[in-house]
Amino acid sequence: NAGVTQTPKFRVLKTGQSMTLLCAQDMNHEYMYWYRQDPGMGLRLIHYSVGEGTTAKGEVPDGYNVSRLKKQNFLLGLESAAPSQTSVYFCASRTSGRKETQYFGPGTRLLVL
Amino acid sequence: AQTVTQSQPEMSVQEAETVTLSCTYDTSENNYYLFWYKQPPSRQMILVIRQEAYKQQNATENRFSVNFQKAAKSFSLKISDSQLGDTAMYFCAFMIVYNTDKLIFGTGTRLQVFP
Repeated sequence: NAGVTQTPKFRVLKTGQSMTLLCAQDMNHEYMYWYRQDPGMGLRLIHYSVGEGTTAKGEVPDGYNVSRLKKQNFLLGLESAAPSQTSVYFCASRTSGRKETQYFGPGTRLLVL
Repeated sequence: AQTVTQSQPEMSVQEAETVTLSCTYDTSENNYYLFWYKQPPSRQMILVIRQEAYKQQNATENRFSVNFQKAAKSFSLKISDSQLGDTAMYFCAFMIVYNTDKLIFGTGTRLQVFP
């Protein structure tokens, strides 16, 4: 199993551009999460999904949209990137059984100029 | 609101020695989980150890152990026989049992292990 994978690993955007970050998991997990990590701070939850076709807002959802069309994929979209969205983005997933254990992807580093 | 505080931004230890990383948290809840995550330079978030609040016994995983003091709301991580590969950021995190979609992280402690 590959676990949780994220695409791309690194991206540079200009202000106003759009892009989509892809998270994929092959563990048949129901729950998936998007976090951002900024210097001097822990991870903060952007959006999450409790199952295919569902999404919910986390702590810092503004400026982001998500979609969960397939159980194994969770997409994070930036419609109009801003410098404040420069961050490292982590995806995580978990099963409904082991509720307390989230498995993290390797992260995507995004730089918005 | 729940908060997690890591008061040591940076720590260092010599190889083979023991180091303790501190974490305190604030909550009015009684049932929750506590975690320590390791983030090496690769940025991968790796679960090191987990503690259920209802368990009085401190969790251990090989060279990693915790000192869980529920009344004091303290959850420190002890790394014994430190290895160079332990060099990483360490994050303390908290989750309420009935709200397992909200994992709250501290700001992290950067640990450097010297040869």
